[in-house]
Amino acid sequence: RKEVEQDPGPFNVPEGATVAFNCTYSNSASQSFFWYRQDCRKEPKLLMSVYSSGNEDGRFTAQLNRASQYISLLIRDSKLSDSATYLCVVCSNSGYALNFGKGTSLLVTP
Amino acid sequence: DAGVTQSPTHLIKTRGQQVTLRCSPKSGHDTVSWYQQALGQGPQFIFQYYEEEERQRGNFPDRFSGHQFPNYSSELNVNALLLGDSALYLCASSLGGRDRGYEQYFGPGTRLTVT
Repeated sequence: RKEVEQDPGPFNVPEGATVAFNCTYSNSASQSFFWYRQDCRKEPKLLMSVYSSGNEDGRFTAQLNRASQYISLLIRDSKLSDSATYLCVVCSNSGYALNFGKGTSLLVTP
Repeated sequence: DAGVTQSPTHLIKTRGQQVTLRCSPKSGHDTVSWYQQALGQGPQFIFQYYEEEERQRGNFPDRFSGHQFPNYSSELNVNALLLGDSALYLCASSLGGRDRGYEQYFGPGTRLTVT
């Protein structure tokens, strides 16, 4: 079983829609969780860290469910510029290595 | 504030050759991690350097080696290149102390093609 699993999509949504991405992880001892965004042929960029209490940054909301080993990202009022691949990331036990999912592709259309 | 820089941007090598990729971390960061990203996949952790030592290694063969210099910059070396080594090689920098969290910031990558 892969350490981090995501639905690869693609998710095609119209502008203004709300879209949710889910991710599961296998190592119950994992302590740190992130969402990164990656545009085509570019490097991953940190979108937000994910905390147990859930956290929000503008139109983006991240949730963590430790009991189910499940992480989510909600994007409200989608913009064309949100089109990208969203990578679910779990930090290893050691705190050093980041384990990435394969990414979920989002295309926001006019 | 300078971000993470990597060189070269692109590289084409022949099977069996050796390659060296370079990375300078973000200003103020002391830790460098290297990742390999194949097409359509998420990045895979190769290793991390902190205080000029390899602190953790992923599931990569010994053909992959690295180094960190006193100014925190780093090199990734790959020997005996295989076709399967073709990928985007990403360098990420962070602060090394455990109490500082684990956020890593990526450079633009080096795209390696092995023919």
